[in-house]
Amino acid sequence: EDQVTQSPEALRLQEGESSSLNCSYTVSGLRGLFWYRQDPGKGPEFLFTLYSAGEEKEKERLKATLTKKESFLHITAPKPEDSATYLCAVQAGGQNFVFGPGTRLSVLP
Amino acid sequence: ETGVTQTPRHLVMGMTNKKSLKCEQHLGHNAMYWYKQSAKKPLELMFVYNFKEQTENNSVPSRFSPECPNSSHLFLHLHTLQPEDSALYLCASSQDLGKREKLFFGSGTQLSVL
Repeated sequence: EDQVTQSPEALRLQEGESSSLNCSYTVSGLRGLFWYRQDPGKGPEFLFTLYSAGEEKEKERLKATLTKKESFLHITAPKPEDSATYLCAVQAGGQNFVFGPGTRLSVLP
Repeated sequence: ETGVTQTPRHLVMGMTNKKSLKCEQHLGHNAMYWYKQSAKKPLELMFVYNFKEQTENNSVPSRFSPECPNSSHLFLHLHTLQPEDSALYLCASSQDLGKREKLFFGSGTQLSVL
């Protein structure tokens, strides 16, 4: 069965304090790994897609990387507006998306 | 209006009520999805439609009844719900089913069942 886990469950950072979020997956035939950002009471907003091990994507203070078993979302010098829940999802051989439980990030000024 | 639009944003209903959630996508996509998001749990896939045809029902109780009259509109009809059905219900769309591409989500309907 395809599974996705994320750690930590919650993370509190001071503004400017860089860190990484982890997404570990067990799937048969990875077609793609997706990162989303979700603000309270809103739907997830797409950030990145990664297709193969070694691939990296960047957007402003965020950088996503992918290995054969996990993905990291690196946040460099975060700002309070980066506070949100970050969701990881994989699309496997069964074609449907399997989501992780998310990491709730709080960046304090 | 662009993207995926869901109405209503908030809904409170009793266990004997009947209500419907509406989703409309303005992206020209062919696949549409209903997801349920409960507190501290991963998104749960409920239904998938491709070109108006239901392709997946993820063992969802019959008190949830989806309807997809065309590729742009998706409804979720609700009747005799239970308090544990309280959650954020999210609609999503993608260009096609089964391709390696992202989902676009609406803002969701926050449902409370009393």
